[in-house]
Amino acid sequence: GQSLEQPSEVTAVEGAIVQINCTYQTSGFYGLSWYQQHDGGAPTFLSYNALDGLEETGRFSSFLSRSDSYGYLLLQELQMKDSASYFCAVRGVYTGGFKTIFGAGTRLFVKA
Amino acid sequence: GAGVSQSPSNKVTEKGKDVELRCDPISGHTALYWYRQSLGQGLEFLIYFQGNSAPDKSGLPSDRFSAERTGGSVSTLTIQRTQQEDSAVYLCASSLTVRGSSGGDTQYFGPGTRLTVL
Repeated sequence: GQSLEQPSEVTAVEGAIVQINCTYQTSGFYGLSWYQQHDGGAPTFLSYNALDGLEETGRFSSFLSRSDSYGYLLLQELQMKDSASYFCAVRGVYTGGFKTIFGAGTRLFVKA
Repeated sequence: GAGVSQSPSNKVTEKGKDVELRCDPISGHTALYWYRQSLGQGLEFLIYFQGNSAPDKSGLPSDRFSAERTGGSVSTLTIQRTQQEDSAVYLCASSLTVRGSSGGDTQYFGPGTRLTVL
């Protein structure tokens, strides 16, 4: 089967660094993605890892270890506007072909 | 268009009525997805289209739900005999993913349709 696990909530203070972990189980693996969703808004794409290692995009970085079926999203210099839900998503092989499965999301609260 | 659009943005209906939700994907995007999201919850996969065909309908919660896509573009999600538990935000996403591609699958989401069943 396929599944993703990520923490339901994380709280951090403004200016700090926070790491949101994601472990996955999938049939075949073709990449781990991260999406951000603000309250009342639609999810927006943040990053994608197909190979092991760290991908950096400004204040956000994403890491993948395929051997551990594990990845994380790292947010640096936290700002109040980073308060949102963050979803990891895995692309794998399922009935009908390739499909992307989303985790349940991690709600990040940034405090002043 | 510039982005994925969905209509209506809000729909209030009475239990037992049928509703149709529309999604206009980004022009040229071959893949189209429907998701359902209840308040404070994650994304529940409903159905996936590659072109006009739906290789994966595994997420449709019951036979009251159906979807179609015509001309490789616009998609309609239909819910028949709506129930109160159908109340949620219905999100549509599209991507450039080509059938059989093992590459990335960046999905671009529409603003969603908030469905309320009274």
